[in-house]
Amino acid sequence: NAGVMQNPRHLVRRRGQEARLRCSPVKGHSHVYWYRQLPEEGLKFMVYLQKENIIDESGMPKERFSAEFPKEGPSILRIQQVVRGDSAAYFCASSPEGQGQQYFGPGTRLTVT
Amino acid sequence: QKEVEQDPGPLSVPEGAIVSLNCTYSNSAFQYFMWYRQYSRKGPELLMYTYSSGNKEDGRFTAQVDKSSKYISLFIRDSQPSDSATYLCAMVGVPGRRALTFGSGTRLQVQP
Repeated sequence: NAGVMQNPRHLVRRRGQEARLRCSPVKGHSHVYWYRQLPEEGLKFMVYLQKENIIDESGMPKERFSAEFPKEGPSILRIQQVVRGDSAAYFCASSPEGQGQQYFGPGTRLTVT
Repeated sequence: QKEVEQDPGPLSVPEGAIVSLNCTYSNSAFQYFMWYRQYSRKGPELLMYTYSSGNKEDGRFTAQVDKSSKYISLFIRDSQPSDSATYLCAMVGVPGRRALTFGSGTRLQVQP
């Protein structure tokens, strides 16, 4: 009865490196969402995916950020050439098809030095 | 103007008090309303999920939705120190948009 799993929980990258964040949804959930939380702020939507499809990426920065949810395996959020402003907590959520409830993982805290 | 407004607090109450947390929103298309609890450096935990106007109760928690006023509330009865956390309201339902829109969160501290 595992919930949403995210790894790594903490990630430190130097400016210019790549960050890869992974998310495994609740078993049976086919919808995945990524959110970013900056210090002292609420959660901001980034991207919504279903298996092999990006449905809504309206919250994603146009450059350096990409996401995928392959047929097999976890969803990946990739940030290329990280900058200090990318330091934040990144949360993944999943939902069963057709329902509004979203269940969140523990998050990945990215620190860019 | 933000679509969802939430008083950031902090809100400090004595143990056993009734806590009232509120959010207002501007987009009348929102249909589903949620309250999440987030402990420091943890992921948000879904507490309440409501659809229609009215009240929904679950243990010590009551969620209230007033769509005509675009106002939602979460009441916590007999508050405990373990309730100390940030409470986030969230909503969804705008056609074509599945992502949740969050308030900025209210930090609650329950003093023993």
